[in-house]
Amino acid sequence: LAKTTQPISMDSYEGQEVNITCSHNNIATNDYITWYQQFPSQGPRFIIQGYKTKVTNEVASLFIPADRKSSTLSLPRVSLSDTAVYYCLVGDGGSQGNLIFGKGTKLSVKP
Amino acid sequence: DSGVTQTPKHLITATGQRVTLRCSPRSGDLSVYWYQQSLDQGLQFLIQYYNGEERAKGNILERFSAQQFPDLHSELNLSSLELGDSALYFCASSVETGMNTEAFFGQGTRLTVV
Repeated sequence: LAKTTQPISMDSYEGQEVNITCSHNNIATNDYITWYQQFPSQGPRFIIQGYKTKVTNEVASLFIPADRKSSTLSLPRVSLSDTAVYYCLVGDGGSQGNLIFGKGTKLSVKP
Repeated sequence: DSGVTQTPKHLITATGQRVTLRCSPRSGDLSVYWYQQSLDQGLQFLIQYYNGEERAKGNILERFSAQQFPDLHSELNLSSLELGDSALYFCASSVETGMNTEAFFGQGTRLTVV
């Protein structure tokens, strides 16, 4: 599984757009990029997944450049409730689907 | 509500004891994952089962074991408990195995070893 690198923490203010970048230099051809969100004392929750270019859903966008060596999770107009840890995962769709979480990025949204 | 049920929600036990944590996956999900999360630590992958068979193993101690039953529920057994085993234990499930499958997490079991 490709190793990922994310900032340990980020601060933002309500209403701002937040971009969290994940580096995955050793990403393999078959690897997908997945982001999860975790609130304190709760299980992680799937946010978004992509393979290339841009993916958008009701909560976030995921930007993946052509070389796929990094990806950026974009959260539009964050609120206090977006304060959480965000994990970037990279792995393939093969038979060994163990989800390996790194340390994640702790996002703090201030009023 | 993710659809994944973990019991019990809280567990307090003494060192040296043995406990069993239970996970009921979402209806139709064949894959079950177990994770340990200590205070202010990341999620440590322990083990994964798919349709009753062990599929992947992570940093799971020899004192810990797990299984997935024919009805697809899973149990994580922790024995000879130590103070350092105090943590949140999460179970997740997904339809298939593989990174392109969304995993759904339960609310966790908080284990306190005293």
